[in-house]
Order: sequence, then C-alpha cells, then structure tokens
Amino acid sequence: EIVMTQSPATLSVSPGERATLSCRASQSVSSNLAWYQQKPGQAPRLLITGASIRAAGIPARFSGSGSGTEFTLTISSLQSEDFAVYYCQQYNNWPPLTFGGGTKVEIK
Amino acid sequence: QVQLVESGGGVVQPGGSLRLSCAVSGFTFSRYGMYWVRQAPGKGLEWVAFIRYDGSYEYYADSVRGRFTISRDNSKNTLYLQMKNLRAEDTAVYYCGATAAAGTVGYWGQGTLVTVSS
Repeated sequence: EIVMTQSPATLSVSPGERATLSCRASQSVSSNLAWYQQKPGQAPRLLITGASIRAAGIPARFSGSGSGTEFTLTISSLQSEDFAVYYCQQYNNWPPLTFGGGTKVEIK
Repeated sequence: QVQLVESGGGVVQPGGSLRLSCAVSGFTFSRYGMYWVRQAPGKGLEWVAFIRYDGSYEYYADSVRGRFTISRDNSKNTLYLQMKNLRAEDTAVYYCGATAAAGTVGYWGQGTLVTVSS
C-alpha cells in the first residue's frame, strides 16, 4: 500500500498571501496524484488531477506540481473561501486508493 | 445538474447490518465507475470500495473486505453498499462518489452518517 504523507498538518496564512502545501508518497506514483478541498460539513471537492491539471471550474489561483514522490499544491493568493482542509490522493497503484492525512489551511 | 444523494445511514448495534443507497442524476450513471469513501468523526478520508461502470468488478479496502458489498443498478441509477457485521470503527460519514477517469472522484454526494454503537 502506498502511504501518502502531507505537511504541515496546519498552515496559518493571511488572506491574500500564498499557501504552499506538500504531499509525499512512500513510492513513486508518477503523476497520478489528485488534490481535494473539504470545507466543514461539506463533501470533498476535486481540485487537481494528474498532479497539475485543474478540474473544471477550479480557479487559476490553485496550481499543482510535482511527480514521482514529491508534490505541491499552491494557492497563489488566499481568498476567504479557500480556508479549508486539503487532501492529496494517489491513484497510480490501486487498490487501495490512498489519501494523505490532510492539511488544514486556517486564517492567520 | 449533477446530484448524488446518499440515504440509509443511522445508528446500528455492533454486529448489525445496514444498506446504504446513492441515487444519481445529472450524468450517465452507466458510464461511470463508482466509489464509497468514508470519514470517521474528525478524521481524514478513507476509500472503502469501487465498482466498475458495468458492475463487472469490485475492489474493497482490507478493513471492509468480506463484510461490505458494493453493487449498482444501472436501470435505477443507484449505487448500494451492503454493510454487515458492523464494528465501532465503521462509524463514519459515508460518501458516494463517481468517476469518468478511474482513480479520482469527480462527483461527490453529501454523505450519510453511520454510527455503530450499543
């Protein structure tokens, strides 16, 4: 099973600032990496597939990068609606599909 | 618009059974692989099961294999999760999800809460 590790667990950022979230895989997942956003009381929402391809309707301030074992989600200028928990997920070698433990982006 | 609506959650005793349903509209259900993903209270996301668009194969997480069964009725646009021999650690919000490209969950339901407690 591929283990996904996200860091940091919590990221405190001021509105308008850049946020950089990290995700590491225990073995290479190529570019088969997705990012999701989850707000309290809501279902997750798909942001990024293929490590860097924004899903339909996702603003350009969200960008993904990386391949192999190291990935980054960058939010270029945080808006109030971006404060949420973000999860990475690999789909290179499944089952099982595996998620990271999440990074909570909170208001500084 | 796309809608996935789960139902069937509730409180059940350890060892009991429950069947979840996920009614789908707004896309061609029979062309999509379907998932169940769960989230224990205050915890992260855990993949539970997947079924191919035509029901020809299924995958399960080790934690539920042999106790849970995923199925679908393409004539009713509905996904199911039959859960047996439930344990306290199965307590979670259960989400159904859909994918046109295997591996990612593009559409999500709002979730249904399953509580296993005596």
